Amino acid sequence: GAGVSQSPRYKVAKRGQDVALRCDPISGHVSLFWYQQALGQGPEFLTYFQNEAQLDKSGLPSDRFFAERPEGSVSTLKIQRTQQEDSAVYLCASSPGLAGGSLLTLQFFGPGTRLTVL
Amino acid sequence: GDSVTQMEGPVTLSEEAFLTINCTYTATGYPSLFWYVQYPGEGLQLLLKATKADDKGSNKGFEATYRKETTSFHLEKGSVQVSDSAVYFCALKGGVSGGGADGLTFGKGTHLIIQP
Repeated sequence: GAGVSQSPRYKVAKRGQDVALRCDPISGHVSLFWYQQALGQGPEFLTYFQNEAQLDKSGLPSDRFFAERPEGSVSTLKIQRTQQEDSAVYLCASSPGLAGGSLLTLQFFGPGTRLTVL
Repeated sequence: GDSVTQMEGPVTLSEEAFLTINCTYTATGYPSLFWYVQYPGEGLQLLLKATKADDKGSNKGFEATYRKETTSFHLEKGSVQVSDSAVYFCALKGGVSGGGADGLTFGKGTHLIIQP
């Protein structure tokens, strides 16, 4: 497809369950980001990949959050033992730019996955 | 760390009114500045951007000027339409790498409602 896609679009989990959220970036984009958007707030940075390398994970809120991009394309964000405070929209963005480069300012966002933890 | 502050919403205007949504920032280095828009039921879309001081970004009748002296990037439109109703986010990307700086830093968003 032409844009960033994410699946599932909606996920309801019981507290304590593990979830996996998928992101398919724009073909050829080397950079990929995950953001968390709580209700009524702006997106907040979670982690950044350049190809398969996770260059920055400083925004991950706890060790229950884990992200991977093993082949430098599709990425998965995994949340273990979900808690109610994990309820949010998780956004993925891809970019043709490289770390430190000006083209990294161009980020294309997917529609997000809305996670609700009961 | 970097931060973005934008005016609280909701902002309610009549069609054809003049729009200003204020945005100020703090950042290290020389950030790039952005306005993103989120229409109901849709994902974030880049509306406009400016990458250096005094640059003006513009798109769809919206404008914003990068003011380094006031650390501001206010969004303006001369005559709003009902179809402009959306949530608007001011954002920046810092001028350095690492520590989250490769990602964008967003404001909390301003919900704009345009009434016919």
